[in-house]
Amino acid sequence: AQKVTQAQTEISVVEKEDVTLDCVYETRDTTYYLFWYKQPPSGELVFLIRRNSFDEQNEISGRYSWNFQKSTSSFNFTITASQVVDSAVYFCALSEVLSGNTPLVFGKGTRLSVIA
Amino acid sequence: ETGVTQSPTHLIKTRGQQVTLRCSSQSGHNTVSWYQQALGQGPQFIFQYYREEENGRGNFPPRFSGLQFPNYSSELNVNALELDDSALYLCASRYGLREYNEQFFGPGTRLTVL
Repeated sequence: AQKVTQAQTEISVVEKEDVTLDCVYETRDTTYYLFWYKQPPSGELVFLIRRNSFDEQNEISGRYSWNFQKSTSSFNFTITASQVVDSAVYFCALSEVLSGNTPLVFGKGTRLSVIA
Repeated sequence: ETGVTQSPTHLIKTRGQQVTLRCSSQSGHNTVSWYQQALGQGPQFIFQYYREEENGRGNFPPRFSGLQFPNYSSELNVNALELDDSALYLCASRYGLREYNEQFFGPGTRLTVL
């Protein structure tokens, strides 16, 4: 069965610090997709990134970067030089493909607070 | 903003009542998924509609039901409300069935059951 674990419940950092949010997943499928979403206080989930299981290249988008390692079943998210606007709950999610395009399975989220 | 809207924003009901939540999908999207997000938890998949038919259901009882209309907007109905139904209900729309197609989430409806 698929499962996503975000062990960090809450993280608090001072502005301009770097922060890494951990995500560990479990799946029996060989083809799957991993996602990160941001949920600000307004409640809407904002898509950040999608990565398929065959693409282990790390990705950088501005201050955001993602490290995907199949060997450890991890898909970690780093924010460089954090800003107050980064304060939100961040969710990692998984969707299996070969099992029939299963719906997103989310972790419990990590609440990030960036203090000015 | 994603173009996905939900109504109402907030709702308070009492145990045993019935509730209908509404979702208007982004233009061109024919698939709508509903998720329940309890406080401090990640969203959990309720069900999905594709071209007006249910196409996948999570581990939720039959008192959770839905509809999708020809314009692809959708409703989530919950009968015989229980206290544990208190949650944020999110809908997401996308084009097609492939889960890896980017989904756009609405702002959610916060339901409180007293």
